[in-house]
Amino acid sequence: NAGVTQTPKFQVLKTGQSMTLQCAQDMNHNSMYWYRQDPGMGLRLIYYSASEGTTDKGEVPNGYNVSRLNKREFSLRLESAAPSQTSVYFCASSRGGRGLTDTQYFGPGTRLTVL
Amino acid sequence: AQSVSQHNHHVILSEAASLELGCNYSYGGTVNLFWYVQYPGQHLQLLLKYFSGDPLVKGIKGFEAEFIKSKFSFNLRKPSVQWSDTAEYFCAVRATDSWGKFQFGAGTQVVVTP
Repeated sequence: NAGVTQTPKFQVLKTGQSMTLQCAQDMNHNSMYWYRQDPGMGLRLIYYSASEGTTDKGEVPNGYNVSRLNKREFSLRLESAAPSQTSVYFCASSRGGRGLTDTQYFGPGTRLTVL
Repeated sequence: AQSVSQHNHHVILSEAASLELGCNYSYGGTVNLFWYVQYPGQHLQLLLKYFSGDPLVKGIKGFEAEFIKSKFSFNLRKPSVQWSDTAEYFCAVRATDSWGKFQFGAGTQVVVTP
């Protein structure tokens, strides 16, 4: 079991360039998430997908789009990168639903620098 | 909506010292509670979690946490830290009566000196 995998690990972009961050999980989870991590701000939710076929905005969705390609894969796209999007991006997944218990598992992260 | 507050942003202590990190949340309903650890340059790993039952939960690497419902707190403890415990620690809360998004605290950077 690889758990949650992300590609690429590192990326440098110029302002205005676009890119897609890929995420896949092999735990048969329903829910998937994209976070960004900035110093002193913890993790902030960008977008999430409660189940295959649905996506919703989180706290900081501006400048991003997502696609839940299938149950395993959830991608994050930056259409026109800005220096403010320099961050570490984490994908996570969980069983999901309104049940009494659920746990998130995280991928290794993508360190993105926008010049 | 729930919120999570971690009391300390930065903690420095010596090896063998005891560690306690505070976490408070604001939500009146039933919650799941978590502590994650992030070692330098790595991703978040689950240290321990509380769903129900015994409010004292034990996790990996000798960590434990106590849920005090009346205080809305879930503090993390370790009796004797090692240099390898240098990391950032995040408290997280999930409300069970909604879709259940996870809310994270801002994190506490812990530095253990030899």
